[in-house]
Amino acid sequence: GIQVEQSPPDLILQEGANSTLRCNFSDSVNNLQWFHQNPWGQLINLFYIPSGTKQNGRLSATTVATERYSLLYISSSQTTDSGVYFCAVKRGSTLGRLYFGRGTQLTVWP
Amino acid sequence: ETGVTQSPTHLIKTRGQQVTLRCSSQSGHNTVSWYQQALGQGPQFIFQYYREEENGRGNFPPRFSGLQFPNYSSELNVNALELDDSALYLCASSWDRGYTGELFFGEGSRLTVL
Repeated sequence: GIQVEQSPPDLILQEGANSTLRCNFSDSVNNLQWFHQNPWGQLINLFYIPSGTKQNGRLSATTVATERYSLLYISSSQTTDSGVYFCAVKRGSTLGRLYFGRGTQLTVWP
Repeated sequence: ETGVTQSPTHLIKTRGQQVTLRCSSQSGHNTVSWYQQALGQGPQFIFQYYREEENGRGNFPPRFSGLQFPNYSSELNVNALELDDSALYLCASSWDRGYTGELFFGEGSRLTVL
């Protein structure tokens, strides 16, 4: 399977700070998604970004597929940003199977 | 709200029992996949269903089985429950077997095995 490594594993910020989360993957992929897992367990879709750059409000993401990494940027952090952020990737040959990293636990203090 | 709904949200079983979890896919999606998420881990792929047939399976034993119905909803069945089966079970729906495009997840079913 594909190895997905996320860093840092834990991140503690004060409200208003900016942060960068990284996802490295071991093989070429045709799908990369970033999720935020809320306290109730639901995975909230943040970005579908197999390549390129996207922005959505205070969040943006960049995937450099040729170098096998993706970055998630969070600007002006808010306490509601707290939770676990997952990166997940998929190869075309594995149909709908997503390979997840272990996540980054983000805690934002007021 | 993704449109993917799961039931029940929480349940408690004892070792050796059987459990059935249910999932309704998002409107327009014909593919359902199931994931198991143990505490502190990322979700792990169990299997995927497309056109009522299993067409991809992760490293899970045969006591994990599933069904997909003509309306694309799905069930996950786990027989002979073990303590290690305690986890959050997530259902995801997608289009066209998920070759490309996003997967959307439900809120999950949290299973505790005592």
